[in-house]
Amino acid sequence: DADVTQTPRNRITKTGKRIMLECSQTKGHDRMYWYRQDPGLGLRLIYYSFDVKDINKGEISDGYSVSRQAQAKFSLSLESAIPNQTALYFCATSDRVAQAGANVLTFGAGSRLTVL
Amino acid sequence: RKEVEQDPGPFNVPEGATVAFNCTYSNSASQSFFWYRQDCRKEPKLLMSVYSSGNEDGRFTAQLNRASQYISLLIRDSKLSDSATYLCVVNRGTGGFKTIFGAGTRLFVKA
Repeated sequence: DADVTQTPRNRITKTGKRIMLECSQTKGHDRMYWYRQDPGLGLRLIYYSFDVKDINKGEISDGYSVSRQAQAKFSLSLESAIPNQTALYFCATSDRVAQAGANVLTFGAGSRLTVL
Repeated sequence: RKEVEQDPGPFNVPEGATVAFNCTYSNSASQSFFWYRQDCRKEPKLLMSVYSSGNEDGRFTAQLNRASQYISLLIRDSKLSDSATYLCVVNRGTGGFKTIFGAGTRLFVKA
């Protein structure tokens, strides 16, 4: 089984629908993240969580919300999906690091979302 | 200007060729540096960290020039399986919030 599992892997939905992407991990990492990837733009951070009670906005959080249900679970919601949220979404995890800046991310396989 | 910039390519090279990718970053407070590899429609995976002294992992060599804010990746004796997108990644500090990804450089290795 994968260390970081995302569901669903593919989803097509319509404008205005509520969508939830789920992420679970078996790595025992405290830190979890949601990124989106668009062609030519690289990965952009949506939200991140350093533990169950800590949730932070990333650079593109508008239109998204998250829930950290447990150390191993971090879900991303689109309350009312719009076409420009069509993208490839990645969940990632990382461990606490002793050395400043040495953060290494482990990614899930991605969730491809299409909003019509 | 993007904080981490890469030549998008694509680089088309024959098997056995040596190919080099460059990356520049704009924030001088950046503390750690990585190359990730991403296959088509797959997740990024860590290829190697980049150290100031330069480091090598088999056919792959990474270099960092802090004064010029420049990172490079050299691939020797290219294999068909090296075809992928290579992402330059810069950490401005601890935590994913300060992890900045370049848009990636695509490499195609042909027989």
